[in-house]
Amino acid sequence: QVQLQESGPGLVKPSQTLSLTCTVSGASISRGGYYWSWIRQHPGKGLEWIGYIFYSGSTYYNPSLKSRVTMSLDTSKNQFSLKLTSVTAADTAVYYCARDYDFLDVWGQGTTVTVSS
Amino acid sequence: EIVLTQSPATLSLSPGERATLSCRASQSVSSYLAWYQQKPGQAPRLLIYDASNRATGIPARFSGSGSGTDFTLTISSLEPEDFAVYYCQHRSSWPRTFGPGTKVDVK
Repeated sequence: QVQLQESGPGLVKPSQTLSLTCTVSGASISRGGYYWSWIRQHPGKGLEWIGYIFYSGSTYYNPSLKSRVTMSLDTSKNQFSLKLTSVTAADTAVYYCARDYDFLDVWGQGTTVTVSS
Repeated sequence: EIVLTQSPATLSLSPGERATLSCRASQSVSSYLAWYQQKPGQAPRLLIYDASNRATGIPARFSGSGSGTDFTLTISSLEPEDFAVYYCQHRSSWPRTFGPGTKVDVK
């Protein structure tokens, strides 16, 4: 059974960098066939797809966030990560990681990140 | 970017009733549309992929239809656990986008 778990600071100061990690169990992220995605949900709002990283390391980021987003893989730990720079209060959200097989079939439980001084 | 709109925003029904949710795309997404269910405090759960295919473990009361720009999620007879928010999402092009959601609540 594939499981994903997000981890990282729950509070980030404005202008700093948000860093989250998703640990995958039950599947190897270095096997082909899947994208590994990040999605966020602002409080009380809908879902926003942030981007993905493929097992090869190739990435695609939502153009609305592209200038501030970096994703990476750590295959030795079976993890993938998200960095979002220059955060503001508008980046306060629940952040989810998910396995992406053209549709998001396995999700992490989500982690709440608040941007505040 | 393809914009998805969902209607209605809220659907108030009683258990046992039939729910019909709509998702419309700003341009054709072929059959590349998925539906997700989200309950408070939980991550979304995949219900339907590629317009009409039920995901693993999803009950038969959930069905999807449509192609091109117009799609429908039908819940044939609402169970108490079905009251939730439902999102559609396309995979036709990048960036993938989600609809704003339809909340199904108890009448």
